[in-house]
Amino acid sequence: AQTVTQSQPEMSVQEAETVTLSCTYDTSESDYYLFWYKQPPSRQMILVIRQEAYKQQNATENRFSVNFQKAAKSFSLKISDSQLGDAAMYFCAYRRLMEYGNKLVFGAGTILRVKS
Amino acid sequence: EPEVTQTPSHQVTQMGQEVILRCVPISNHLYFYWYRQILGQKVEFLVSFYNNEISEKSEIFDDQFSVERPDGSNFTLKIRSTKLEDSAMYFCASKPGLGGADTQYFGPGTRLTVL
Repeated sequence: AQTVTQSQPEMSVQEAETVTLSCTYDTSESDYYLFWYKQPPSRQMILVIRQEAYKQQNATENRFSVNFQKAAKSFSLKISDSQLGDAAMYFCAYRRLMEYGNKLVFGAGTILRVKS
Repeated sequence: EPEVTQTPSHQVTQMGQEVILRCVPISNHLYFYWYRQILGQKVEFLVSFYNNEISEKSEIFDDQFSVERPDGSNFTLKIRSTKLEDSAMYFCASKPGLGGADTQYFGPGTRLTVL
């Protein structure tokens, strides 16, 4: 079974600075998807960024980018120019590349605090 | 922008009672999911639903749980006889189609409190 590990329960960053959240995963499959979801205090799950494992290029989405290291099974999220609104719980998630089901497997989450 | 909606936002119930959590997925989506998050813990998959049947379920999804799409818009999760440990946030999600690349869109969640 696939597992996702987020080793940082909590991180802090100063407003306007850069922070990196770590994620590692375990799978025997070669093709899959990886995601970062943001969960603010409202507890709504919001997709931040997605990476397809067959793509070598790291995904970017405005101030958010990933460092995808397939061989190391590592998928970190970099947030540049951090803003107060970035404060939230961040979940890393894995999904198999298959036609049916496609359940997401989540890590335990990292709380990100942004200091003004 | 279309979004997944869930009702109620908060449900309080007595242990042993039945609850039904409701979700309205995005209208042209074909895949539906329920996840739950016990306070302070990770989000866990419960069940996926496609073409009016369960396509996958987790070991959490035992006989106390059932899902239904009673009409063309609603997707419900029923817990037959609630237990204290069912207290959690329940998230509904939907996905456009069969493509593996499709993203799951989450609703705002229903907080279930079992007393």
